[in-house]
Amino acid sequence: EVQLVESGGGLVQPGRSLKLSCLASGFTFSNYGMNWIRQAPGKGLEWVASISSSSSYIYYADTVKGRFTISRDNAKNTLYLQMTSLRSEDTALYYCARHELRYFDYWGQGVMVTVSS
Amino acid sequence: DIVMTQGALPNPVPSGESASITCQSSKSLLHSNGKTYLNWYLQRPGQSPQLLIYWMSTRASGVSDRFSGSGSGTDFTLKISSVEAEDVGVYYCQQFLEYPTFGAGTKLELK
Repeated sequence: EVQLVESGGGLVQPGRSLKLSCLASGFTFSNYGMNWIRQAPGKGLEWVASISSSSSYIYYADTVKGRFTISRDNAKNTLYLQMTSLRSEDTALYYCARHELRYFDYWGQGVMVTVSS
Repeated sequence: DIVMTQGALPNPVPSGESASITCQSSKSLLHSNGKTYLNWYLQRPGQSPQLLIYWMSTRASGVSDRFSGSGSGTDFTLKISSVEAEDVGVYYCQQFLEYPTFGAGTKLELK
């Protein structure tokens, strides 16, 4: 069974940093591209970042470019999102999602990030 | 960015009736390889989104055949035949021709 379990969220002050993790199991992690997608409270879905299976290709939404860094450790079956210079508008539930041939086929349960003083 | 615009449903939808959700993209999602990169997801209350339809009309594994997707390059429809209680939630269309973008969501409520 495919499982994606996010961790690392919490309450953080504006301007500070936070690192999210997503532990994958139930599939060969190194064969798939992975993504972070977020959902602000009561709002819709926003794609944040994507990384290819071997980390050769990395893409970011304009709203986080230069502040967030997506990475992965295939030996540990883990996806990461390093978030710096956090803003109130980054407050959201952050989902880890696998992508397969241009669709997101599995999603984690999400981890909440709240940016507030 | 490609903008995705979703239509509303005349909620609540009577149980057993059909429902159609529309989605429009600001650019054709038809790739040169013949595939149309439009996907549909359902987010049930309190849950993560789940994939329903990919490449405009292919049902994801385990998805009921009551769900069907259709459309052209820029105009798409998700049809739910015989709506059931488990179909309640917010439906999102999403394009993957370029950097992924989602529609704002369409809420389905049951009568």
